Amino acid sequence: AQTVTQSQPEMSVQEAETVTLSCTYDTSESDYYLFWYKQPPSRQMILVIRQEAYKQQNATENRFSVNFQKAAKSFSLKISDSQLGDAAMYFCAYRVQGGSEKLVFGKGTKLTVNP
Amino acid sequence: GAGVSQSPRYKVAKRGQDVALRCDPISGHVSLFWYQQALGQGPEFLTYFQNEAQLDKSGLPSDRFFAERPEGSVSTLKIQRTQQEDSAVYLCASSLVHGQGHYGYTFGSGTRLTVV
Repeated sequence: AQTVTQSQPEMSVQEAETVTLSCTYDTSESDYYLFWYKQPPSRQMILVIRQEAYKQQNATENRFSVNFQKAAKSFSLKISDSQLGDAAMYFCAYRVQGGSEKLVFGKGTKLTVNP
Repeated sequence: GAGVSQSPRYKVAKRGQDVALRCDPISGHVSLFWYQQALGQGPEFLTYFQNEAQLDKSGLPSDRFFAERPEGSVSTLKIQRTQQEDSAVYLCASSLVHGQGHYGYTFGSGTRLTVV
């Protein structure tokens, strides 16, 4: 069974600084997708960034980028120039290609941004 | 609608009571998912629909949980004889086309169920 592990229950960062959130996963599949979702207190999960496993190039979306290490099964999220609005729970998620498309989530990292 | 709408936003149920949670996906979205998120945990998959067909219900924790999507749009998650361990946020998500979930899903804001 696929599992996703986020080893940092909580992280904090100063406004304008950079922070990296860790994620590792376990799978025997070769084709899959990885995601980072943000969940503010409103509870709605918001897609931050996604990565296809067959792509070697790391995904970037404005201030958000990932470090995808397929052999190590690692998928960390880097947030640059942190803003107060980045404070939220962040969830790493995995989805195998094909099948029911269900997502497997980690337990999350609570990010605090200090002014 | 503009987003995935879930109702009610909060639900308090007495132990043993039946509850029904509603999800209104984005119009035209084919795939619909239900997830259960316990306090301090990540969401866990419950079930998946492609239009009106329930293709995967492997995550439903017991036969007290039942989901339907009779016309391929609105979905209802029903929990019979609620127990305290059912207390959680129930999230609904949808995507436009089957096979394009790798673009990510649109989630609703969930229903927080508290069983007392």
